[in-house]
Amino acid sequence: AQSVAQPEDQVNVAEGNPLTVKCTYSVSGNPYLFWYVQYPNRGLQFLLKYITGDNLVKGSYGFEAEFNKSQTSFHLKKPSALVSDSALYFCAVRDINNAGNMLTFGGGTRLMVKP
Amino acid sequence: KAGVTQTPRYLIKTRGQQVTLSCSPISGHRSVSWYQQTPGQGLQFLFEYFSETQRNKGNFPGRFSGRQFSNSRSEMNVSTLELGDSALYLCASSHGTSGYNEQFFGPGTRLTVL
Repeated sequence: AQSVAQPEDQVNVAEGNPLTVKCTYSVSGNPYLFWYVQYPNRGLQFLLKYITGDNLVKGSYGFEAEFNKSQTSFHLKKPSALVSDSALYFCAVRDINNAGNMLTFGGGTRLMVKP
Repeated sequence: KAGVTQTPRYLIKTRGQQVTLSCSPISGHRSVSWYQQTPGQGLQFLFEYFSETQRNKGNFPGRFSGRQFSNSRSEMNVSTLELGDSALYLCASSHGTSGYNEQFFGPGTRLTVL
């Protein structure tokens, strides 16, 4: 079985400050890890993914994430937050031993960036 | 390239009715997955289709079904609607089924069951 935990329902940060959105996962094999963002009344937009290789992954809109196998974490980060980054963020995982594209999502973290 | 499209965007039904939702994937994508999003349960996987075959199925009752056509378009059907079926239904497409390709999501169909 595969699972994802996003321990924070909401993260508040001031514009210009660094932000971190936390994600931990559980899979029986090795993971494929993804971050998506959802704006109101919209579908999910892909931000970045970890498949293999460098533990630091860079994605869209200045976001990056660090894969930590020993801590089974894949935290999303950005050096300087923008008000427009305010949205709902989802971490997702796939066990590479499972066939197909089925993703298991975390519960989501609402990011609020205050001016 | 056009994105994933879903029709209709909004639906209102009453308990006991049935509903069909449609999804057109990105051109060239042959894998289509469906997810249900609710405030209480979050995002849950419904099923995945590839080349007209169901590849995976989530933990949903048999009232939820789907299919994929030869042009990769997909439909999902929910019969005997219940109040708890009110949700945002998201369709996602992907180039293949290797699992490392990201999925591209449509805007969703918001279903309200009265």
